[in-house]
Amino acid sequence: SQKIEQNSEALNIQEGKTATLTCNYTNYSPAYLQWYRQDPGRGPVFLLLIRENEKEKRKERLKVTFDTTLKQSLFHITASQPADSATYLCALRMDSSYKLIFGSGTRLLVRP
Amino acid sequence: NAGVTQTPKFQVLKTGQSMTLQCAQDMNHNSMYWYRQDPGMGLRLIYYSASEGTTDKGEVPNGYNVSRLNKREFSLRLESAAPSQTSVYFCASSLPRENTEAFFGQGTRLTVV
Repeated sequence: SQKIEQNSEALNIQEGKTATLTCNYTNYSPAYLQWYRQDPGRGPVFLLLIRENEKEKRKERLKVTFDTTLKQSLFHITASQPADSATYLCALRMDSSYKLIFGSGTRLLVRP
Repeated sequence: NAGVTQTPKFQVLKTGQSMTLQCAQDMNHNSMYWYRQDPGMGLRLIYYSASEGTTDKGEVPNGYNVSRLNKREFSLRLESAAPSQTSVYFCASSLPRENTEAFFGQGTRLTVV
């Protein structure tokens, strides 16, 4: 079955540094991969979507890469701020049914 | 702009009781989802509905039933609640295309004692 893995350990970084989060998947070749942000007590909010033929996508301080050979996506936040502290989840749609499956998420903590 | 609305926000049930979690969206989306979120487990898909009248099992469907009443509403029913169903439940909706994002409700925190 489809499996999506994200680092379960929290990432703790200093303000101003670049945060890099990893998403690995197995047993499927999705055409798209998505990233969401989730704050405590709230539902996830969509951030970025990247296609399989896009190596990289940017939105303001966010950058996502998608390596279909490695079956991996990297999510970068440059010039990180304490307000970026949250849990970040990757997601992809499995097969033609369009069911959306999520990884377990990585918690990011940005220290002032 | 309501988006996806879930009711109730909090609920405490006794083991064996039943209840229905309600979800409605006003974005004219065909696809709707129910997830549960447990610490360290991320979001796990319970059931999915591609359109009105159709439902499909997700990763963890046991102990749940769903009903897609119309295009707007997708309800999740626990017939006989168990402590293992203590979780935060999220409803979401999206357009039925691979390249579109999902929109989530604010969640229902359910405790089964």
